[in-house]
Amino acid sequence: ELKVEQNPLFLSMQEGKNYTIYCNYSTTSDRLYWYRQDPGKSLESLFVLLSNGAVKQEGRLMASLDTKARLSTLHITAAVHDLSATYFCAVDINGNKLVFGAGTILRVKS
Amino acid sequence: DVKVTQSSRYLVKRTGEKVFLECVQDMDHENMFWYRQDPGLGLRLIYFSYDVKMKEKGDIPEGYSVSREKKERFSLILESASTNQTSMYLCASQPGRNTYEQYFGPGTRLTVT
Repeated sequence: ELKVEQNPLFLSMQEGKNYTIYCNYSTTSDRLYWYRQDPGKSLESLFVLLSNGAVKQEGRLMASLDTKARLSTLHITAAVHDLSATYFCAVDINGNKLVFGAGTILRVKS
Repeated sequence: DVKVTQSSRYLVKRTGEKVFLECVQDMDHENMFWYRQDPGLGLRLIYFSYDVKMKEKGDIPEGYSVSREKKERFSLILESASTNQTSMYLCASQPGRNTYEQYFGPGTRLTVT
């Protein structure tokens, strides 16, 4: 059974600081997704990582995938308040079934 | 833009009631999914469907059933609601097998009293 572990589960950071969220998974997969969820809202797709070594960047967020280590990272650069949200990683099984991590609640303080 | 809609944003039901949650997508997607979201547990897959009248169990199907009579509509049914089914329910759709992103609806927050 595939397990997906995110850490930290809660992250409080100051504006302007950098931090990384980690996503480890237990079985082989070369597809991983990052989603963002604002309070009371649904999930919004951030990144789709489809191969070992994939790196995607959007604004202050950068995601990477190391399939050999079964690890993906979501790096936040110079955080701003608007990045406050819950971030989920999800690992793809068999091309369509996703297994989600528990989510990381990010709070950026002014 | 892909649009996934769910019939209710908030729903309050009594224990033992039969509950229907409806999901509709407008992009002719093959695959549809029902998840429940609970704090600290992320999203867990209840059921999914690859095609009309087809369904497969996800990780937590107990206490739920589904119906997909038309391609655009995927219904989640709680035959006899219980308090431990109080949760946020999210529907998603996906173009087809071996395609990528899933597109999520706004969610239904169900409270069973």
